[in-house]
Amino acid sequence: AQSVAQPEDQVNVAEGNPLTVKCTYSVSGNPYLFWYVQYPNRGLQFLLKYITGDNLVKGSYGFEAEFNKSQTSFHLKKPSALVSDSALYFCAVRDSGNTGKLIFGQGTTLQVKP
Amino acid sequence: NAGVTQTPKFQVLKTGQSMTLQCAQDMNHEYMSWYRQDPGMGLRLIHYSVGAGITDQGEVPNGYNVSRSTTEDFPLRLLSAAPSQTSVYFCASSTRQALTDYGYTFGSGTRLTVV
Repeated sequence: AQSVAQPEDQVNVAEGNPLTVKCTYSVSGNPYLFWYVQYPNRGLQFLLKYITGDNLVKGSYGFEAEFNKSQTSFHLKKPSALVSDSALYFCAVRDSGNTGKLIFGQGTTLQVKP
Repeated sequence: NAGVTQTPKFQVLKTGQSMTLQCAQDMNHEYMSWYRQDPGMGLRLIHYSVGAGITDQGEVPNGYNVSRSTTEDFPLRLLSAAPSQTSVYFCASSTRQALTDYGYTFGSGTRLTVV
């Protein structure tokens, strides 16, 4: 069965510094991986995905993620954090079959301080 | 095109009461799912559907029922509410292609409190 782990409940960074939010996954077969962001009292918004191809994928709002097959990781990164990036971030893996199931990690709160 | 619409936005129930959380989408999406969000637990899949008439259980189905009589609607029923079902519930929908492109489109959520 697919699973996703986000080992950090909260990540704190200063504005202007690089940020990394960690994600590891477990799947059978090729992974379909996603990052979503949730702002307070809102639903989830898609940030980026990895299906195949380059290990570094770029997404919305200047975010990127690095896929590492040997470490089964898909870490979210941004070169220079903004205060407005403060939110709850979720990593997710899609079921490899046709069920459409999307399994989420526990979520990581990103706090960017001025 | 309203996307995924969830009603109500807020609800307070007494233990043992029943209710239905409504979810509707107007995008002709065949895939629909219900999640619950709890602090430190992330989003956990309750039930999902791959098309009208077809539903299946997710990670935490106990205490919840679903049906999918139309493509548009995917209601979630709580038969006898318990305090452990206090949570924020999200409905989401997608197509086969969209599952590859961006995953799911999410509704804005229903915040349920069971007292």
